[in-house]
Amino acid sequence: ETGVTQSPTHLIKTRGQQVTLRCSSQSGHNTVSWYQQALGQGPQFIFQYYREEENGRGNFPPRFSGLQFPNYSSELNVNALELDDSALYLCASSGGGGTEAFFGQGTRLTVV
Amino acid sequence: AQSVTQPDIHITVSEGASLELRCNYSYGATPYLFWYVQSPGQGLQLLLKYFSGDTLVQGIKGFEAEFKRSQSSFNLRKPSVHWSDAAEYFCAVGAGITGGGNKLTFGTGTQLKVEL
Repeated sequence: ETGVTQSPTHLIKTRGQQVTLRCSSQSGHNTVSWYQQALGQGPQFIFQYYREEENGRGNFPPRFSGLQFPNYSSELNVNALELDDSALYLCASSGGGGTEAFFGQGTRLTVV
Repeated sequence: AQSVTQPDIHITVSEGASLELRCNYSYGATPYLFWYVQSPGQGLQLLLKYFSGDTLVQGIKGFEAEFKRSQSSFNLRKPSVHWSDAAEYFCAVGAGITGGGNKLTFGTGTQLKVEL
C-alpha cells in the first residue's frame, strides 16, 4: 500500500507567476484535501475534493483552484502568486466520511 | 465555526518525565478530534483520534488523550518522554458529516523540546 506522495518537494517561483502542485492519494482513498502551512503556523484548510468534485473550501481566494482526476490524484493551482503564498503545501487523502486523513510530505513553495 | 486553541507554544521536558499538551476546541456538535506530530520539514503523522465511545484513546508511540466534553478539551499525554519525541504537535478538529477527518481546523501547535 503506497502512501500519499507529493511533487515537487521544493519549488521557487516569482511573484505573479502560476504554479501547479501534484498529489497522489493513498490506495483506496477517494477524498483529497489541501492545506497551507505558513512558517510557524498550523495548517489551514484550502479545499477538499471528493470523487472529482469540490466538497468544501476554506477562506482562500479564487486564484487557488484544484482538480481531482478519476484515479483520485489531485492538483492544486495557484495563479498570480504573492509573497505571502510562500508556505508548505500539504495534501491529505482519506476514505471519506469520518475517517482520518493521511498526509504527504508536502511541497515547500517559495515566492520571490 | 470551529476553532482549536493550544495554549502552550513551547514546552521543555526532561527525558523520562511525563508530558501533557493542552488542547481546547470549539465546535457545535460532537467533534472529531485528532493529534498529529510533525518533525522539521516533514508532513504530519497521526498520533491518535477520537470519534466517539471511550473518552480515553490510545495512540501510537505510547501517547494517549482524554476527551472531556465539559471542558471542551482533548489533552495529549505520555507517561515517559523519549528524546525522539521532540517535534511539533498539532491538535485538530474535523468538521462536517462528510470528510470529517479531512476538513481539519488545526491549532497553532506546541513545540516540544526534550532535554537529555
